[in-house]
Amino acid sequence: AQSVTQLGSHVSVSEGALVLLRCNYSSSVPPYLFWYVQYPNQGLQLLLKYTSAATLVKGINGFEAEFKKSETSFHLTKPSAHMSDAAEYFCAVISRAGNQFYFGTGTSLTVIP
Amino acid sequence: EAGVTQFPSHSVIEKGQTVTLRCDPISGHDNLYWYRRVMGKEIKFLLHFVKESKQDESGMPNNRFLAERTGGTYSTLKVQPAELEDSGVYFCASSQVGAGTDTQYFGPGTRLTVL
Repeated sequence: AQSVTQLGSHVSVSEGALVLLRCNYSSSVPPYLFWYVQYPNQGLQLLLKYTSAATLVKGINGFEAEFKKSETSFHLTKPSAHMSDAAEYFCAVISRAGNQFYFGTGTSLTVIP
Repeated sequence: EAGVTQFPSHSVIEKGQTVTLRCDPISGHDNLYWYRRVMGKEIKFLLHFVKESKQDESGMPNNRFLAERTGGTYSTLKVQPAELEDSGVYFCASSQVGAGTDTQYFGPGTRLTVL
């Protein structure tokens, strides 16, 4: 069975501050992990994905995430928040042979000017 | 290249009525997925098509939901009769390969409200 847990349904940061969105996964097999972002009135857009190559994954818009097997975590970070980063972020896991994502409940990011 | 499109963007119906949602995947993507997000909860998988065949429909809630993909292009998801608990956002996604490393591209969703 696979699942992800996103800690914090709402996160607020000041513009220019570090963004840290937490995701922990549970998987009986080595997982593939994804972060998606949803801007208002848009579809989910892929930020980055981990597919067992490098443990530090760089994505679009300055985001990155590090796969830590020992902590079963895949936290999303960005060194300096921009106003345009305000959105909802979803962590998801999928099995290697799988076809369906298991999503977390999402984290809504607010950036304070 | 056009992304995944969904129609309508919003639908408000009364309990007991029928609603049909449509999804047009990215051209050339054989794999098409339906997901649903009930308010405040996680996005949940409903089913997966490979071309016109249902590969996995393990997430379909009950037999009031019927998904089709005739001809392997666009897909429809019909809810008949709709119940209050069917309210939520229905997302469609498509991908080329259908394997775990494959990126699924999502549409903007259809927000369904059942009154």
